[in-house]
Amino acid sequence: LAKTTQPISMDSYEGQEVNITCSHNNIATNDYITWYQQFPSQGPRFIIQGYKTKVTNEVASLFIPADRKSSTLSLPRVSLSDTAVYYCLVGDPRYSSASKIIFGSGTRLSIRP
Amino acid sequence: DAGITQSPRHKVTETGTPVTLRCHQTENHRYMYWYRQDPGHGLRLIHYSYGVKDTDKGEVSDGYSVSRSKTEDFLLTLESATSSQTSVYFCAISDPAGGFGYTFGSGTRLTVV
Repeated sequence: LAKTTQPISMDSYEGQEVNITCSHNNIATNDYITWYQQFPSQGPRFIIQGYKTKVTNEVASLFIPADRKSSTLSLPRVSLSDTAVYYCLVGDPRYSSASKIIFGSGTRLSIRP
Repeated sequence: DAGITQSPRHKVTETGTPVTLRCHQTENHRYMYWYRQDPGHGLRLIHYSYGVKDTDKGEVSDGYSVSRSKTEDFLLTLESATSSQTSVYFCAISDPAGGFGYTFGSGTRLTVV
């Protein structure tokens, strides 16, 4: 099982770029990296997914180095509404069974005015 | 999220009583999951289902049972509720054909007194 390690918490200010790094040293060849966002009293919400190099969507960018042992979620110009917990997951989409997917404790991001 | 609903949203029950939580989806996704979320533990998998009448245990399955008689419904039962089962319960769905991504419900806050 590919376990992930993230910082427990991070603080930043509105308008700044925030980068959250996730370590996954034992990532398998077929594993993808997926990030979720969770607001209080809500379920986690899919943000972005990638396999290698860089992926960008309207919300975030995901940077994955060549060895794939880590990944960085980048949130451009954060606002107060980006205050949430962010989870990094690693798994093989061919095996959607959650027994192979582990949610860690996530990174609690706090954005200040 | 649209396509997945949990009921009830809140419930208070007494120790020793049976409790059933319901997850209903309209996405026709094959996989359904039950997670619990507690402070300091992130999301932990209780049970999951990979098809009608096909279920398997997750990492914290003791004291819980599940049933899936229809594609759209996944029930979680606490046979005899205990205070340690006070938690927020999330249901999630996924579809391997659609890539690796979960859609979560809004959660059920269960309090066992």
